[in-house]
Amino acid sequence: AQSVTQLGSHVSVSEGALVLLRCNYSSSVPPYLFWYVQYPNQGLQLLLKYTSAATLVKGINGFEAEFKKSETSFHLTKPSAHMSDAAEYFCAVRGSGNTPLVFGKGTRLSVIA
Amino acid sequence: DVKVTQSSRYLVKRTGEKVFLECVQDMDHENMFWYRQDPGLGLRLIYFSYDVKMKEKGDIPEGYSVSREKKERFSLILESASTNQTSMYLCASSLQGFYQPQHFGDGTRLSIL
Repeated sequence: AQSVTQLGSHVSVSEGALVLLRCNYSSSVPPYLFWYVQYPNQGLQLLLKYTSAATLVKGINGFEAEFKKSETSFHLTKPSAHMSDAAEYFCAVRGSGNTPLVFGKGTRLSVIA
Repeated sequence: DVKVTQSSRYLVKRTGEKVFLECVQDMDHENMFWYRQDPGLGLRLIYFSYDVKMKEKGDIPEGYSVSREKKERFSLILESASTNQTSMYLCASSLQGFYQPQHFGDGTRLSIL
């Protein structure tokens, strides 16, 4: 069965510091991987997706993620955090067969001035 | 851009009431989904639909039903609302194929008193 583990339910960084949000997955089929962001009182917005093309995927708002098959990881990074990045971030992997995406439990990012 | 519209942002209902949550998408997507989101539990899939009049149970279907009479509309029904159904409800849609990214509405925050 497909699964996603996001390490750290809460990550806190200083403004201008590197953002690193961790995602490990388990998949019995070639993985399609996604990162979503959720701002307070809003729905989820797609940040980026990996669909077996380039292993380094660039997304919106300066975020990027690297697919590492050997580590079954798809960590999200941003070189310099901004206050506006404070939100909850979800990693997701496609389901097996005819099942929907499987989401991680989310990581809340706080940015300290 | 894909637009997924949920009929209410905030809703307050009483225990035992029948509650309808409506979701409409404007991009002719085949798949539609209902999730509930609770602190610490992430997103949990309630029901999904891959075609008109078709529905499949997700991880937590108990106490809920759905209706999809038209392609663009997917309704979530709480047959007899209970206080443990107080939550944020998120609707999403995607193209055919469950590896496709999902597009989310802004959510309905439902309180059952």
